[in-house]
Amino acid sequence: AQSVTQLDSQVPVFEEAPVELRCNYSSSVSVYLFWYVQYPNQGLQLLLKYLSGSTLVESINGFEAEFNKSQTSFHLRKPSVHISDTAEYFCAVSLVSNTDKLIFGTGTRLQVFP
Amino acid sequence: DADVTQTPRNRITKTGKRIMLECSQTKGHDRMYWYRQDPGLGLQLIYYSFDVKDINKGEISDGYSVSRQAQAKFSLSLESAIPNQTALYFCATSEPLAGGGETQYFGPGTRLLVL
Repeated sequence: AQSVTQLDSQVPVFEEAPVELRCNYSSSVSVYLFWYVQYPNQGLQLLLKYLSGSTLVESINGFEAEFNKSQTSFHLRKPSVHISDTAEYFCAVSLVSNTDKLIFGTGTRLQVFP
Repeated sequence: DADVTQTPRNRITKTGKRIMLECSQTKGHDRMYWYRQDPGLGLQLIYYSFDVKDINKGEISDGYSVSRQAQAKFSLSLESAIPNQTALYFCATSEPLAGGGETQYFGPGTRLLVL
């Protein structure tokens, strides 16, 4: 069975500081990897995804994540965060062979302070 | 207008009552999902549907039922609500991505409190 682990439930950080949100997954077969973001009082929305090709993927608002197969990780990073990045971030996987369902991690709450 | 809408946005009910949460989408997607979100647990899949005639149980379907009335509508019912069903409920649709995988689109959520 597949699983996703987000070790940090909360990450407090000051504005303009760098941040890394950690995600590790467990799967014996190939997976697609996703990061979703949930802003306060909203539903989740896709932030970025890894399907194939370059292991470094980027979002339009400055986040990036790197797929590391040997470490089974897909950590999310941003070199300089803004107050508006305050949200909950979910890592998720789906099987390449069966994309019917997403398996979500437990989420990391990023709190950016001025 | 939002692509995935949920009604009601907030609901308080009593133990033993039957309630229905509704979801509508204008994205034209065949696949629809119901999740519940609990603090510290992430999202858990309750039911999913690939078309009007295809309904599937998720990880935590006990105590819930669903109805896919049309491609655009997918309702979740709690037959006899209990306090541990207090949670935030999300509806989602999905579409295939070029290159593989699918993207899910979420509604704004329904916050349910069972007293």
